[in-house]
Amino acid sequence: QVQLVQSGAEVKKPGASVKVSCKASGYTFTDYYIHWVRQAPGQGLEWMGWINPFNPKSGGTNYAQKFRGRVTMTRDTSISTAYMELSTLRSDDTAVYYCARPLGSSGSATSYLIDYWGQGTLVTVSS
Amino acid sequence: QSVLTQPPSASGTPGQRVTISCSGSSSYIGSNYVYWYQQVPGAAPKLLIYRNNQRPSGVPDRFSGSKSGTSASLAISGLRSEDEADYHCAVWDDRLSGRWVFGGGTKLTVL
Repeated sequence: QVQLVQSGAEVKKPGASVKVSCKASGYTFTDYYIHWVRQAPGQGLEWMGWINPFNPKSGGTNYAQKFRGRVTMTRDTSISTAYMELSTLRSDDTAVYYCARPLGSSGSATSYLIDYWGQGTLVTVSS
Repeated sequence: QSVLTQPPSASGTPGQRVTISCSGSSSYIGSNYVYWYQQVPGAAPKLLIYRNNQRPSGVPDRFSGSKSGTSASLAISGLRSEDEADYHCAVWDDRLSGRWVFGGGTKLTVL
């Protein structure tokens, strides 16, 4: 079965960076995009971007305008793991960060439709 | 502030029918399918409705979605205690390589 297992909670100081991992299993890692979505305490969901694990370079990533310049999404295909790194952290970056996989493989009609989620990683930014 | 507007809260008693609205502009809801995710406390979201009114397998037919113009609605009939959760509307904006846009979420309380 499809599983996305994320790394553990992090506490960071303002100005630092955080890197969250998302290990995939139960499917061919390079066949499906990975999206990252965050949720601040008591708030709604906020989409951060996606990465195409097959080819993250050359158009294989798309970041939300709000995070461009601060977020980097990468992957290591040898261990079926995606990463999201957010830099220059601020207190309002405190949130649960989720990785998520669409229902369909890249190129399919549902290649965008998020259907599988990791368990979430709490990142707390505090001085 | 999100470009998709949801009421922050809604409530109902067991057995009742409740609706949750999601409004947006012609660029978002007016031009795209609407999706709904259910998120019970402490858990990741779960896909509830896709392409305005389609239910994934396993989602009870008590849940239904609709869209008209620049607004969409999620209806839950025969309300049950386990329906108490946050409900998020979303659109997939396929311009500029594609991005998800979410509403602010609605917390549904079953009284």
